[in-house]
Amino acid sequence: DAKTTQPPSMDCAEGRAANLPCNHSTISGNEYVYWYRQIHSQGPQYIIHGLKNNETNEMASLIITEDRKSSTLILPHATLRDTAVYYCIVKSGAGSYQLTFGKGTKLSVIP
Amino acid sequence: GAVVSQHPSWVICKSGTSVKIECRSLDFQATTMFWYRQFPKQSLMLMATSNEGSKATYEQGVEKDKFLINHASLTLSTLTVTSAHPEDSSFYICSARDPGGNTIYFGEGSWLTVV
Repeated sequence: DAKTTQPPSMDCAEGRAANLPCNHSTISGNEYVYWYRQIHSQGPQYIIHGLKNNETNEMASLIITEDRKSSTLILPHATLRDTAVYYCIVKSGAGSYQLTFGKGTKLSVIP
Repeated sequence: GAVVSQHPSWVICKSGTSVKIECRSLDFQATTMFWYRQFPKQSLMLMATSNEGSKATYEQGVEKDKFLINHASLTLSTLTVTSAHPEDSSFYICSARDPGGNTIYFGEGSWLTVV
């Protein structure tokens, strides 16, 4: 599976949009981009995933560049409860479904 | 949506005893589940893949005789930490794939403290 690179930490003001970047320059054609977050002392929470088209759900939007080498997770109106570590993971759509976690981005939403 | 549940949420056990952690998929059947371990301020590390009806496959460095995994049904996998020691104290998390799509869901995690 392709490796991802994320900034170690980010701050965002409450009520503003949080834009979390992820680089995955070695992604291959059949690999999806998954985003999870982990709030302190809890299991990871699924946020969204996509292959090549932009995706949106009730939690967030996922913007994938045309060359698929990077993506951005957007939380449109960050709240204090969005403070968490956000993980960007690239995974093939076939085969085993174990996920490899990097260090993620620690997002701090500030009042 | 799909839910994966773990029990217990936290457990304290004495050194040398065994403790079992359950992972259930509540809304779907999971032929494969995964067990992770997370030490404080570190990321999740995959321990093993639990396969329904067959033996689990373990990651390098994980002792299969110490971390017993049983996946007896399509909705339940159990992890038993045998002869626990204080260094086994950690946050244990399971995951399972919803076969209806490509989404992988995680349990709430189980805190194990060995004293």
